[in-house]
Amino acid sequence: DQQVKQNSPSLSVQEGRISILNCDYTNSMFDYFLWYKKYPAEGPTFLISISSIKDKNEDGRFTVFLNKSAKHLSLHIVPSQPGDSAVYFCAAHFNAGGTSYGKLTFGQGTILTVHP
Amino acid sequence: NAGVMQNPRHLVRRRGQEARLRCSPVKGHSHVYWYRQLPEEGLKFMVYLQKENIIDESGMPKERFSAEFPKEGPSILRIQQVVRGDSAAYFCASSRDAAQPQHFGDGTRLSIL
Repeated sequence: DQQVKQNSPSLSVQEGRISILNCDYTNSMFDYFLWYKKYPAEGPTFLISISSIKDKNEDGRFTVFLNKSAKHLSLHIVPSQPGDSAVYFCAAHFNAGGTSYGKLTFGQGTILTVHP
Repeated sequence: NAGVMQNPRHLVRRRGQEARLRCSPVKGHSHVYWYRQLPEEGLKFMVYLQKENIIDESGMPKERFSAEFPKEGPSILRIQQVVRGDSAAYFCASSRDAAQPQHFGDGTRLSIL
């Protein structure tokens, strides 16, 4: 039961262009979404998050868009840099109490490669 | 990585032995989470603890696995009588409270011979 899905296993982008990573979810109880970046042999690093009461959140080169009706979120990186090459995970959790409070559900990840 | 310390980084065990994985959260963080990542997959939630309490263990296998976060000292994930299928990367994360982003350690890579 994959409640958070990243349907693109990999994405290749030229340096300076925009990278768009996509994520779909099925559980309408998810209320808070996060993107993490992961290098090999390291743990995930938090990038940016968005609450379900918003449709956009921006932090420097990173912007996350949320479309609640479509149960879809995306991460835009612009301009892309070679150092952005990593695995990107989207994650979701309930943010309104209950037993699932705090628990993150992750997608499978998308490998981003930014070519110089 | 964001102050969460996990040790050991690599752990090799033979089938039937016990594995103990340790996690020291970021200073000031009282919420600890354990996740497991199998090859080619995303991270799967295992257990969520607050000091001395298990809040949510819905992702923990019912047998052989246990976790604790004592009042003093690191959180421990314990796997008894390990089997080959336990081979994975185990990540610990911590947060100041359940509504804040979780910060991850660099993981323990467990290999079962």
